[in-house]
Amino acid sequence: EAGVTQFPSHSVIEKGQTVTLRCDPISGHDNLYWYRRVMGKEIKFLLHFVKESKQDESGMPNNRFLAERTGGTYSTLKVQPAELEDSGVYFCASSQETGGPEKLFFGSGTQLSVL
Amino acid sequence: GDSVTQMEGPVTLSEEAFLTINCTYTATGYPSLFWYVQYPGEGLQLLLKATKADDKGSNKGFEATYRKETTSFHLEKGSVQVSDSAVYFCALTHQGGSEKLVFGKGTKLTVNP
Repeated sequence: EAGVTQFPSHSVIEKGQTVTLRCDPISGHDNLYWYRRVMGKEIKFLLHFVKESKQDESGMPNNRFLAERTGGTYSTLKVQPAELEDSGVYFCASSQETGGPEKLFFGSGTQLSVL
Repeated sequence: GDSVTQMEGPVTLSEEAFLTINCTYTATGYPSLFWYVQYPGEGLQLLLKATKADDKGSNKGFEATYRKETTSFHLEKGSVQVSDSAVYFCALTHQGGSEKLVFGKGTKLTVNP
């Protein structure tokens, strides 16, 4: 069984450009989370999908970030326009049903560098 | 709000040395506590957990005890191996099956042969 897959693994863009990150959860997992680790700081929660619905988007930093999960399968996280402070590692995680972190599977992350 | 504070890294040890990574937390109520590990090129993996005061979580030779009186959850291992080289994250969540985690900054551990 494939794990949580994130694309790309690395992205280097210039300030002002647009970047789209993709997360493919484990098949059948309704819950999908995005987290972000800015260099030298904590990993922070961004948002939580249940199927295609946004359950909690309290961690989204501002309106330059747009997350979607059309059809309740894969999810995209678009940053437009990107700023220097958006650099960091973006993690995706999924679970079949909400049952605590023991049920969560994480992807290996997308390293985003904004120059 | 809730927060987790970890000792600053990086930490470099020789093989078979004793490891301690300190973690303290600030939270309302009675959170569950976790240690995650990220090996190079891989995703975060749950290493161990404790859900109530005085619980001890253990896995792969690592241990951590939930100390409510000191709001701590320090990670220890008696004899580290080169394969333990990774980044370690302390985290908490509130009970009730929540998967919304609050993480510390992470501590990078390098173990030399």
